[in-house]
Amino acid sequence: EAGVAQSPRYKIIEKRQSVAFWCNPISGHATLYWYQQILGQGPKLLIQFQNNGVVDDSQLPKDRFSAERLKGVDSTLKIQPAKLEDSAVYLCASSSLRGAGGHGYTFGSGTRLTVV
Amino acid sequence: AQKITQTQPGMFVQEKEAVTLDCTYDTSDQSYGLFWYKQPSSGEMIFLIYQGSYDEQNATEGRYSLNFQKARKSANLVISASQLGDSAMYFCAMREVLAGNQFYFGTGTSLTVIP
Repeated sequence: EAGVAQSPRYKIIEKRQSVAFWCNPISGHATLYWYQQILGQGPKLLIQFQNNGVVDDSQLPKDRFSAERLKGVDSTLKIQPAKLEDSAVYLCASSSLRGAGGHGYTFGSGTRLTVV
Repeated sequence: AQKITQTQPGMFVQEKEAVTLDCTYDTSDQSYGLFWYKQPSSGEMIFLIYQGSYDEQNATEGRYSLNFQKARKSANLVISASQLGDSAMYFCAMREVLAGNQFYFGTGTSLTVIP
């Protein structure tokens, strides 16, 4: 089966600019996650969707970050305006509701964002 | 409180030796899953091994095994016969099934395999 697709792979923007990341989960996976991973740290959950509803967005900086999953399939994460501290890898992951053990939870390759 | 704690920021191991990476977790859920991921410098997150909270036997996947001690809430990863390609960051993670599939990561351990 196809994996979790993310684009772009890399992005460099100036501070105060806007940027958007796209994620297409594995077909049939109801749950989609966006993580922020700052260099040298573990991934931090930004937002979790179940189908097209938000399950958890408690750590999403809502003054500048937004995410949507309109049809319960692919998702977009936006940052507007970007700050230097937003430089990180943004990882998308998806899982089926049951999870199917470890293999039911899959990460994309991530988008490496550099804010200058 | 931290959901996942990894106390070893960096570890070194001689090639062909075994190494244990520590992980402790905190949950009040009865149903949860524990994961280990490898993240090489390329940045991709590679699934290694999974242990369900109801699994009675320790999980094994090739050279990887998970030393699951439920009462102590620990889920240590053992890598046997280390190879140079094992040098990477390793993350322990937990999924709380009943809490809406929340998924938490530790801070990671950087493993360096020495030839």
